Amino acid sequence: GAVVSQHPSRVICKSGTSVKIECRSLDFQATTMFWYRQFPKKSLMLMATSNEGSKATYEQGVEKDKFLINHASLTLSTLTVTSAHPEDSSFYICSAREDRHRNEKLFFGSGTQLSVL
Amino acid sequence: DQQVKQNSPSLSVQEGRISILNCDYTNSMFDYFLWYKKYPAEGPTFLISISSIKDKNEDGRFTVFLNKSAKHLSLHIVPSQPGDSAVYFCAARSPFGNEKLTFGTGTRLTIIP
Repeated sequence: GAVVSQHPSRVICKSGTSVKIECRSLDFQATTMFWYRQFPKKSLMLMATSNEGSKATYEQGVEKDKFLINHASLTLSTLTVTSAHPEDSSFYICSAREDRHRNEKLFFGSGTQLSVL
Repeated sequence: DQQVKQNSPSLSVQEGRISILNCDYTNSMFDYFLWYKKYPAEGPTFLISISSIKDKNEDGRFTVFLNKSAKHLSLHIVPSQPGDSAVYFCAARSPFGNEKLTFGTGTRLTIIP
């Protein structure tokens, strides 16, 4: 099946630094990628939808200047957590959609555990 | 506001028996429902889905049932196998906007050999 690669899997950083997370679709072109965040014992919460070549669409309550999303190519989207603070510590996961109208063709990365000290 | 709820955080089932995972939702506009399975250190993978116009969909050992009047869906796994031990997420799709998915909190299924 299709593979989505997400890096890094784990990152620990100091408060105030920025962290970039990459999401790549390895064997298909993903016109749309999604970024989720998950707190312990909570559900995956959609943060933003990233469309190749256009600005990301952010969900209500998600700061677009805090969480910068770039989808520069059909196989790569990046999420940058700017000036990270301890409350940004969370599990971040991306997904990529292969077919516009079929959600089962939604492939997930393995996630990134961010810990901000 | 949790629109998709999985009220059982964990479930243990004997190997060979039936596993039933439940999911409730509040938004009647959801038009498509999916189940994903997640192993540790891996991303969720698609398992089975059902359209809101159906009440049952079967794929091998996996069957999903949808009760629209009760806003409830369930995933049945029979017979349960040790490899089924994982976290299961249900998700619901909105027909509007970018057809985004709303996920439940997940149920950790453990199959006891």
